[in-house]
This record gives sequence, C-alpha cells and structure tokens, in this order.
Amino acid sequence: GAVVSQHPSRVICKSGTSVKIECRSLDFQATTMFWYRQFPKQSLMLMATSNEGSKATYEQGVEKDKFLINHASLTLSTLTVTSAHPEDSSFYICSAISVSGKRQFFGPGTRLTVL
Amino acid sequence: DAKTTQPPSMDCAEGRAANLPCNHSTISGNEYVYWYRQIHSQGPQYIIHGLKNNETNEMASLIITEDRKSSTLILPHATLRDTAVYYCIVRVPGGGYQKVTFGTGTKLQVIP
Repeated sequence: GAVVSQHPSRVICKSGTSVKIECRSLDFQATTMFWYRQFPKQSLMLMATSNEGSKATYEQGVEKDKFLINHASLTLSTLTVTSAHPEDSSFYICSAISVSGKRQFFGPGTRLTVL
Repeated sequence: DAKTTQPPSMDCAEGRAANLPCNHSTISGNEYVYWYRQIHSQGPQYIIHGLKNNETNEMASLIITEDRKSSTLILPHATLRDTAVYYCIVRVPGGGYQKVTFGTGTKLQVIP
C-alpha cells in the first residue's frame, strides 16, 4: 500500500525556537496534503489543507503565521512551527491524497515537545 | 463539527466478531464512507471505504444501510492487535480543499 513518511518522529525543542516537520509521499504523487494536530486522548483536528504549488487553506483558529506550510512538490509538504511554545506540544500528523483521489493516507505522526 | 457519530467505546472478546456502528445521517450523495483505525501514538491506518454497496477486504467488511445514513464496520475475528480507536468519516473522493472532520471515534478493547 501507499506510504506516507514524516520526519522527525520525535522532536524536543526550547521555547521560542522553530521546528520543521517534513511529510513525504513515498510511492505516489499527492495533489493534496493535510496537516492535523492531536492532543492526548482527543481526536484529530484539521489544521490546514495544502495543494501543490498553491497557498494552504487554514482552519479557523489556526494561525497561518505561526504554522507555516509549504507544499513545494507533489511528494513533499513541510510544516514549520515558528516560535514554538509549550502549548504547541502535540502530536502532528500529515495526510496525503493520491492523484486518483479515492484514498487518503496518513503519516506515522511527529511528537513535538516544547520545553 | 464532525458529520459522523460513533459510540465512545466497545469491548469485544478475542476471536469474536467486532461490529462497530457509525451514524452519518447528513451524508451527501457523492460522499463515501471511510474507516480508519489509530493505534496509540501512531498515524491512522486505512481500513476500508464504500459508497453504497457492502465492501469486504482482507481486514474487514463494511455494511452500509440502504438509505446510507449509517454503516457498520465488521472485524470478523478480532485479535488483541485490533485494540485501537476506530474512526469513520465521510468525504468526497478527490483532492482539493475539503474539510474532513474526525469525530471522537470508538475505542475498541479486545479482551483475551
């Protein structure tokens, strides 16, 4: 089956620093990628949707200047958490839809801890 | 707001069939029903999807009611490794912006 990878799987950083998370579709081209955030014992919350080569669409309440999303190619999207604070600590999951569009694949997630 | 509702938790004896229900009464005509499961601290794993006909694959079966307002995921012989949170969502196939919202899911506990 199709694979979506994320890097890093875990990151610990100091408050005020920026963290970049990469999401790659390994064996298919993804026209659309999604970024979700999940807090402990809660469901996935959609943060933003990005299409290759265009600006991301952010959900209400998600600061676009804080969570920078770049979808530069059909196989790579990045999420940069700028000036991270402890409340940004969460499990970040990316997802990709193939060109055919029928299936949505999820990455393994990135655990971000901001000290 | 999620377009689906599921019971928060269920138990199932190992080896028995696990039947997980999902209500999606506001589903649109072109929306498919998708099921995923999430094991602790991992990304969601695709299980199965369908439009209106019942579907079966190596993991599970999906039964969709005739009016498409609800569905049931069936794990025919549950194992301990099936313990996870199961999510059903509805979406239109295809890329582009589409707000797909996950509900709270059903936490399935398979008991030895």
